[in-house]
Amino acid sequence: NAGVTQTPKFQVLKTGQSMTLQCAQDMNHNSMYWYRQDPGMGLRLIYYSASEGTTDKGEVPNGYNVSRLNKREFSLRLESAAPSQTSVYFCASSAGIQETQYFGPGTRLLVL
Amino acid sequence: QKEVEQDPGPLSVPEGAIVSLNCTYSNSAFQYFMWYRQYSRKGPELLMYTYSSGNKEDGRFTAQVDKSSKYISLFIRDSQPSDSATYLCAMSGGSTGNQFYFGTGTSLTVIP
Repeated sequence: NAGVTQTPKFQVLKTGQSMTLQCAQDMNHNSMYWYRQDPGMGLRLIYYSASEGTTDKGEVPNGYNVSRLNKREFSLRLESAAPSQTSVYFCASSAGIQETQYFGPGTRLLVL
Repeated sequence: QKEVEQDPGPLSVPEGAIVSLNCTYSNSAFQYFMWYRQYSRKGPELLMYTYSSGNKEDGRFTAQVDKSSKYISLFIRDSQPSDSATYLCAMSGGSTGNQFYFGTGTSLTVIP
């Protein structure tokens, strides 16, 4: 039982490049989330998916898109990376909305 | 005003000390209160979960919620070097919709 897994662990991009961060969970959870964590800002919600087939914006969605591929997988895409998107990205899942969230190990992204 | 305020520390204590970590919040609709522990370069892991007001104890950890004061606390008894981490409070519920609101985290070091 791996819980929540994220790939890649670390990525360096140049400004304007695109990439997709992958997240998968094996806990049969309905809800999945993407957060970014920056020093002094805490965890901020980018997008979430309350259930398979639905996605909604969080606090900081600009510059990102998401896809809930199936119940297990939730990806985050940066279409044109900017230095302001340098951050640590965490995926999380929960059985349902407002239930306990379980986090993945994170992806460190550096945009030059 | 931020939804959740948390003193970032850092906090440094000797092994065996009692540690008190606190968060204040502004939204009286919050009903679910959580504490997460985050080791360096790892994802947050759930430590304590409480609903509404009151105390909850789990081993050396006690979580307190005072909804009248909009104040939550985490106490760690007999602190150990392995408790050295960043502690994040989180809350949700009521009119906040589906979002969790996280504090920025308090960095704790327990010195052997």
